[in-house]
Amino acid sequence: AQKVTQAQTEISVVEKEDVTLDCVYETRDTTYYLFWYKQPPSGELVFLIRRNSFDEQNEISGRYSWNFQKSTSSFNFTITASQVVDSAVYFCALSEANTGRRALTFGSGTRLQVQP
Amino acid sequence: DAGVIQSPRHEVTEMGQEVTLRCKPISGHDYLFWYRQTMMRGLELLIYFNNNVPIDDSGMPEDRFSAKMPNASFSTLKIQPSEPRDSAVYFCASSLRDEQFFGPGTRLTVL
Repeated sequence: AQKVTQAQTEISVVEKEDVTLDCVYETRDTTYYLFWYKQPPSGELVFLIRRNSFDEQNEISGRYSWNFQKSTSSFNFTITASQVVDSAVYFCALSEANTGRRALTFGSGTRLQVQP
Repeated sequence: DAGVIQSPRHEVTEMGQEVTLRCKPISGHDYLFWYRQTMMRGLELLIYFNNNVPIDDSGMPEDRFSAKMPNASFSTLKIQPSEPRDSAVYFCASSLRDEQFFGPGTRLTVL
């Protein structure tokens, strides 16, 4: 069965610090997708990125970057020069392609607090 | 694009009452998902549909929960009778390919 582990329950940083959120996943499927979602204090879930299992290229989007490593089953998320607006709960999630199960399996989330 | 629309945004009811949550997916999306978020269990799938057909309802807690999707633009999640342990935020999401886009959620409180 699939599983997503976010071992960091809560992280607190000071503005402008870099921070990395860890995500480790388990799946027996050879084709799968990995996601990150942001849940700000207002409660909505905001899609950030999707990665498929065949694409191990790192991705950068502004201050956000993602490091996908199949060898360690990890999909880590780094925020560079963090800002107060980055304060939120961040969820890593997995879906499997070959099994046809399109639903997301979420990690337990990491609460990021960015102090001014 | 209006995004996924859910109603009501907040619902407070008493134990034993019927509760109906509603969702309008993004137009053109062929998958619709219902998730529940609680402190104890985090985000978990309840059920999902493809082209209005239920595909996986393994997450539906028990017979008190039922979900329907009568057409491509509307789905309901019903709880009858409701219990205090059903208190949670219920999210609806829709997708066309792999990215799921979530609605704002319905915060349900059962007293």
